Amino acid sequence: DVKVTQSSRYLVKRTGEKVFLECVQDMDHENMFWYRQDPGLGLRLIYFSYDVKMKEKGDIPEGYSVSREKKERFSLILESASTNQTSMYLCASSLGGTGGYTFGSGTRLTVV
Amino acid sequence: KQEVTQIPAALSVPEGENLVLNCSFTDSAIYNLQWFRQDPGKGLTSLLLIQSSQREQTSGRLNASLDKSSGRSTLYIAASQPGDSATYLCAVPMNRDDKIIFGKGTRLHILP
Repeated sequence: DVKVTQSSRYLVKRTGEKVFLECVQDMDHENMFWYRQDPGLGLRLIYFSYDVKMKEKGDIPEGYSVSREKKERFSLILESASTNQTSMYLCASSLGGTGGYTFGSGTRLTVV
Repeated sequence: KQEVTQIPAALSVPEGENLVLNCSFTDSAIYNLQWFRQDPGKGLTSLLLIQSSQREQTSGRLNASLDKSSGRSTLYIAASQPGDSATYLCAVPMNRDDKIIFGKGTRLHILP
């Protein structure tokens, strides 16, 4: 089975800090995605990537950036964390085409 | 623009009942449809993936159907158990580039 691993389950960071959320998948999937999930708003796509060193903006990229230096790793970066970035962050990967998504277990980020 | 709707938003049923969760989508030109389960504070677990050429998929007590022409999918849960309590989300790809759109989910509570 494909496994998507997010490095932290819970994080607490201070306003203004630079925050790195790491995601690693182990099945050579081409596509990787970062979502945030908030009550009443559902899942919203932040950034995605179809290949190494490639990135595309999703629906809410403001305040975020990403890095994909290796195929298996996709990092989400909060350049200067703000309290409105307190959320559950979910990483996913897919083979593409008709393969479906596999999600990680999520990172609950609190910015104080 | 593809929109995904799940009704009802919440559902409580006694243990042992069979139940149906609904998902509708506005653009029938989909490649697949995926059902997920999410427990509180956790990531998404894939339950069933139905390809556009299929009418249904089964896994244990779960059966998902797909009717592209009417823009609908249903998730049938047989002999419900308290452990089935969770939020169930459906998702469809927007187009060939594999980004997917999620419904807001149905929060299911099975009463012991």
